[in-house]
Amino acid sequence: DAGVIQSPRHEVTEMGQEVTLRCKPISGHNSLFWYRQTMMRGLELLIYFNNNVPIDDSGMPEDRFSAKMPNASFSTLKIQPSEPRDSAVYFCASSLIAGNYGYTFGSGTRLTVV
Amino acid sequence: GQQVMQIPQYQHVQEGEDFTTYCNSSTTLSNIQWYKQRPGGHPVFLIQLVKSGEVKKQKRLTFQFGEAKKNSSLHITATQTTDVGTYFCAVGSGNTGKLIFGQGTTLQVKP
Repeated sequence: DAGVIQSPRHEVTEMGQEVTLRCKPISGHNSLFWYRQTMMRGLELLIYFNNNVPIDDSGMPEDRFSAKMPNASFSTLKIQPSEPRDSAVYFCASSLIAGNYGYTFGSGTRLTVV
Repeated sequence: GQQVMQIPQYQHVQEGEDFTTYCNSSTTLSNIQWYKQRPGGHPVFLIQLVKSGEVKKQKRLTFQFGEAKKNSSLHITATQTTDVGTYFCAVGSGNTGKLIFGQGTTLQVKP
């Protein structure tokens, strides 16, 4: 298995533009998580899905952020409009359900909003 | 919500010295996981502890879960430069698989 695949690896965009981050989880994993990592706030859970259904989006900063999981093999995190304070590394992770298994993280997307 | 305190935030050691990071919770934990993130990399799962007082070893790494299941530690014996990185503990929240990560301990090893 190729692991969790995220794209793009790097994204530089201007303030106000729409940004879409993509994730392909490991086949057979039923849970998918989006995290944001910054020096100031560490690893923050934004949203997670079980069996493609959003379970908890309380970590999503505001309405500018949205996430979808249309099927078991694909998820997107969208920021519209983007702001400089959204600059961070965004990780996608997947795992088997029930929390008794470790997460497998993707390589992350480094987002810079200028 | 579930929170976990991790200390120290940073640790600089000479190669060959030991290193320990601690993770503490105010509530009883069902399990705890440990991850390592190399500089510029992504978190990588190391281990999960479930039982009270559990001790697990991976080569030079020793993981412990407290008797009350409210704290855990990761100890590295005789550090090497390859141990450099940030070590995170992560605790589960409910039965949904949701993990909350500690702030991490960043280890620097001087050769």
